[in-house]
Amino acid sequence: EDQVTQSPEALRLQEGESSSLNCSYTVSGLRGLFWYRQDPGKGPEFLFTLYSAGEEKEKERLKATLTKKESFLHITAPKPEDSATYLCAVENSGYALNFGKGTSLLVTP
Amino acid sequence: DAMVIQNPRYQVTQFGKPVTLSCSQTLNHNVMYWYQQKSSQAPKLLFHYYDKDFNNEADTPDNFQSRRPNTSFCFLDIRSPGLGDAAMYLCATSTGTRLDTQYFGPGTRLTVL
Repeated sequence: EDQVTQSPEALRLQEGESSSLNCSYTVSGLRGLFWYRQDPGKGPEFLFTLYSAGEEKEKERLKATLTKKESFLHITAPKPEDSATYLCAVENSGYALNFGKGTSLLVTP
Repeated sequence: DAMVIQNPRYQVTQFGKPVTLSCSQTLNHNVMYWYQQKSSQAPKLLFHYYDKDFNNEADTPDNFQSRRPNTSFCFLDIRSPGLGDAAMYLCATSTGTRLDTQYFGPGTRLTVL
C-alpha cells in the first residue's frame, strides 16, 4: 500500500532560522510528488511538482528536492508569513493524490 | 482570475438532514475531485469525475454521492450526515493530462449538530 509520511509533525522556528521538512514515501510507480501549503481554514495552495530523483525547484524562500525515497522542503531564512501547514502528496497511477498528514510550521518574530 | 469556487464556505446541518455542497470552476478543467479533510488529518479522496465519467474510491461510504451537470459545476451530496462526517470538504480540479497539477478551492467547513 502506498504511504506518505511527513516529519516533523510540528516545527517552530525563529524568524531567519533555516530548516527542512521531510516527506518519505513508498509508492509503486511514482508519477509525481507535490508540495502544497495550507493556511488554517483554507484549501491547499500548490507550491511545487517534482517528477524524478535529483530534481530541484525553488520559489522565494522555499526549495524542494527529490530522491528515490524522500523529498525535502528547505526553508531559508523564514518569515512569520511562512507559517502554515505544508502538505506532501504523491501520485502513482490514475488521478488520486495520496497526502501525508502535513508539517505544521510556526515562525515566530 | 481563473479559480475554483466553493459554496457555502461554512455549512451547519442536523444529524440525518441531507446537505449539498457546491463547487464551480472557471479553469475549464476536465477533472473535478472531492476530498474530505478532518482536523489535523490528510485530505482523503472521496471520488472524482473525468468529464462525465464518475470514479468512486473503494472506501467512500454510500452516504456520499456526487453530481456533475456540466463542465463547470460539481456537487457533493451527503444523504444522511452523521457526527463523523463533520469535516472540511475540498474540491479540486485538474486538466486530466499526464502529470498535471490539482488546484484546490477554499473548502467548505461542515458542522453536524
